[in-house]
Amino acid sequence: DQQVKQNSPSLSVQEGRISILNCDYTNSMFDYFLWYKKYPAEGPTFLISISSIKDKNEDGRFTVFLNKSAKHLSLHIVPSQPGDSAVYFCAASGGGADGLTFGKGTHLIIQP
Amino acid sequence: GAVVSQHPSWVICKSGTSVKIECRSLDFQATTMFWYRQFPKQSLMLMATSNEGSKATYEQGVEKDKFLINHASLTLSTLTVTSAHPEDSSFYICSAALAASGGYTFGSGTRLTVV
Repeated sequence: DQQVKQNSPSLSVQEGRISILNCDYTNSMFDYFLWYKKYPAEGPTFLISISSIKDKNEDGRFTVFLNKSAKHLSLHIVPSQPGDSAVYFCAASGGGADGLTFGKGTHLIIQP
Repeated sequence: GAVVSQHPSWVICKSGTSVKIECRSLDFQATTMFWYRQFPKQSLMLMATSNEGSKATYEQGVEKDKFLINHASLTLSTLTVTSAHPEDSSFYICSAALAASGGYTFGSGTRLTVV
């Protein structure tokens, strides 16, 4: 049973446009959500996070939106750049010293 | 920033042998470390949580006698894959909890291939 779902295995976006990556979760105990960028054979790189007490967090080109009632979060990247091409993982935690539950990832491809 | 160094980055071993993967926190003390495994085109799956000085907590379905975790100091956690088999071939990643920020930092991962 997947508690964190990323239903789009891949997403293609034109350079300069907005990339929107989606993530759904089922466990209502999750209260901390993170987005990571990952290249093959490398560890994940942290991008941005959001606590369940917020509905939006922004950091430069990255914005994460959280809709708790829908158990849905999204990562917006604007403007998209070629270097953004990678696999993006959504992850969730129940807080404290819990490990992360990851989605399966979305492969973002930025086209010139 | 908080850096976790993971070694080796890749290893090939023969079936039946054991392999040790090290994860070190370079500029901070990691009370809690996590070990994940990722199969090709799959998600990162949490294997176990280790707290310094105590036994690791394993996720359901992960064999604790096969994946030995030692977290003897605040800067070092090790994962030993014992009697490795080809199905243990995977990408293993360690992570440390950052107490100050509530975030997590990851090692660069180890690609294990068992032949």
